[in-house]
Amino acid sequence: GQNIDQPTEMTATEGAIVQINCTYQTSGFNGLFWYQQHAGEAPTFLSYNVLDGLEEKGRFSSFLSRSKGYSYLLLKELQMKDSASYLCAVTDSNYQLIWGAGTKLIIKP
Amino acid sequence: GAVVSQHPSWVICKSGTSVKIECRSLDFQATTMFWYRQFPKQSLMLMATSNEGSKATYEQGVEKDKFLINHASLTLSTLTVTSAHPEDSSFYICSARSGGRMEEQFFGPGTRLTVL
Repeated sequence: GQNIDQPTEMTATEGAIVQINCTYQTSGFNGLFWYQQHAGEAPTFLSYNVLDGLEEKGRFSSFLSRSKGYSYLLLKELQMKDSASYLCAVTDSNYQLIWGAGTKLIIKP
Repeated sequence: GAVVSQHPSWVICKSGTSVKIECRSLDFQATTMFWYRQFPKQSLMLMATSNEGSKATYEQGVEKDKFLINHASLTLSTLTVTSAHPEDSSFYICSARSGGRMEEQFFGPGTRLTVL
């Protein structure tokens, strides 16, 4: 079956760095997405990786290793507004998006 | 660019009534639109994929006669929840993808449905 695993919840301190991991097992691979979702709102796009390596975009970076079925989202200089759920999603061989359950990130002052 | 709107943003209805939710791509043509449902503290669950001008493809376990999807134009898809029941109360989110791009889906703001 298809499966995406990410931690349920993480806590970090304002100003610090946090890494949210995602491992996946899917039938085929056509890219991995990270989305941010605040409570009661729809997801917003953060990053897309289809090749191995690190993609940096401001305070957020995303890494992919296709051979390991692994990705992480790195958030630097954490701000209170970064408190949200972070969803990992993989596009399979049929270009269907398979969603992880999300990681709830709690930022403490 | 790449804005998707949804209407209404929230709705409360009585059990047994039908509710229509609209999803519009405002500044691009969406050949494919997706409808998701999200229950509290759970991830997104894909309900159906709709391509303009053709019948929607429903995920396993989603009743197509209960959740009617119409994608009549490249900028509009509608989801009608027929004979809604309290267990249909959820956060319904649509997303849109323009043709030829395998990258990001653009999400609407969601519609919160409460069935009394």
